[in-house]
Amino acid sequence: GDSVTQMEGPVTLSEEAFLTINCTYTATGYPSLFWYVQYPGEGLQLLLKATKADDKGSNKGFEATYRKETTSFHLEKGSVQVSDSAVYFCALSGTGGFKTIFGAGTRLFVKA
Amino acid sequence: SQTIHQWPATLVQPVGSPLSLECTVEGTSNPNLYWYRQAAGRGLQLLFYSVGIGQISSEVPQNLSASRPQDRQFILSSKKLLLSDSGFYLCAWKLQGGPGELFFGEGSRLTVL
Repeated sequence: GDSVTQMEGPVTLSEEAFLTINCTYTATGYPSLFWYVQYPGEGLQLLLKATKADDKGSNKGFEATYRKETTSFHLEKGSVQVSDSAVYFCALSGTGGFKTIFGAGTRLFVKA
Repeated sequence: SQTIHQWPATLVQPVGSPLSLECTVEGTSNPNLYWYRQAAGRGLQLLFYSVGIGQISSEVPQNLSASRPQDRQFILSSKKLLLSDSGFYLCAWKLQGGPGELFFGEGSRLTVL
């Protein structure tokens, strides 16, 4: 079945450092790919998405490119802030669209 | 605009007691509805989803059940809680007809003692 694998955390960075969180997926067909963010004590919210190969999703300085050849959707940000501290989830929704499958999540800590 | 409400926010229950978590969506019709569980330090596990009233699909055999008595109401239940049922439960919805964005509630933290 479909699955998502993302790098284990926690990831600890200093403010203004470059961030990469790796995500790879296994799916049949052409899934849509997502990054969600969860701030402490809250539910998840969509950060960005891409619906087809070579699409780049972007929001709040974060970017991720849908790479079908490497089945990857890595999250990047050029300069992180303390307020970016959260748990980040990579996810996919398959061709049928009913279910969204999530990775295990990566906790990010940003130090001032 | 659409909103999703989930309650209670926090619950402490003894082993063997019943459970009822409720989720209501406003501002949309005929949404797909979902229950996820997030155990401590782990990712999100899809428990149940529903594409319409009375239609429930279970992803993981377990001690829990779900019901959708109305179009925008989704209930997660248990007759007898286990210690392993502890976790953070998230309700979510999305529009029918494609792999769109999920909108999540604030979550319900359940501790079984």
